[in-house]
Amino acid sequence: AQSVTQPDIHITVSEGASLELRCNYSYGATPYLFWYVQSPGQGLQLLLKYFSGDTLVQGIKGFEAEFKRSQSSFNLRKPSVHWSDAAEYFCAVFYGGSQGNLIFGKGTKLSVKP
Amino acid sequence: DTGVSQDPRHKITKRGQNVTFRCDPISEHNRLYWYRQTLGQGPEFLTYFQNEAQLEKSRLLSDRFSAERPKGSFSTLEIQRTEQGDSAMYLCASSFGTSPGYEQFFGPGTRLTVL
Repeated sequence: AQSVTQPDIHITVSEGASLELRCNYSYGATPYLFWYVQSPGQGLQLLLKYFSGDTLVQGIKGFEAEFKRSQSSFNLRKPSVHWSDAAEYFCAVFYGGSQGNLIFGKGTKLSVKP
Repeated sequence: DTGVSQDPRHKITKRGQNVTFRCDPISEHNRLYWYRQTLGQGPEFLTYFQNEAQLEKSRLLSDRFSAERPKGSFSTLEIQRTEQGDSAMYLCASSFGTSPGYEQFFGPGTRLTVL
């Protein structure tokens, strides 16, 4: 079955430190890849997406992600974390075909230490 | 444009009661999705519509669940004879177009608590 794995349930980083959140998807044709952020009481907000082309994609709020086909990964990075980045982050994939839905990982909760 | 809206934001009900949620998508979006999110999990797909046609339903969508999208505009999700296991956040999303890779815009969700 198609799946998305986010191995880290909870990550804590210090403000100003760099961040990398991991995402792996099950093998198959290159999917369309997304990262969403969810803050308490807020809906899911799209950070960035990868469809094709340059494997390093830039998103909003200073986030970027790199698609690595050989590792079936799409890790999210940010060079310097701000306290306002504390939230839950979800990786999602769309495999196309007859499916209309996104498949989400279980999420990684990010805490930021002052 | 105010984005995807959902009503109510919170619903508390007793087991066995019926509940109905509403989703208003972004006006020009022709696809509408329902997801369910439980604590510690990512959103799980329930069903989606293209215009007024319901094109796909997940195995998660038991017979007690029904969704409609009359006239291809707003959508409703009804849960009959609610059970405690139905307690979750119900998310609605919409998108435009039928080509792969479209972006789904999410509403704030309806949090259901079944007592």
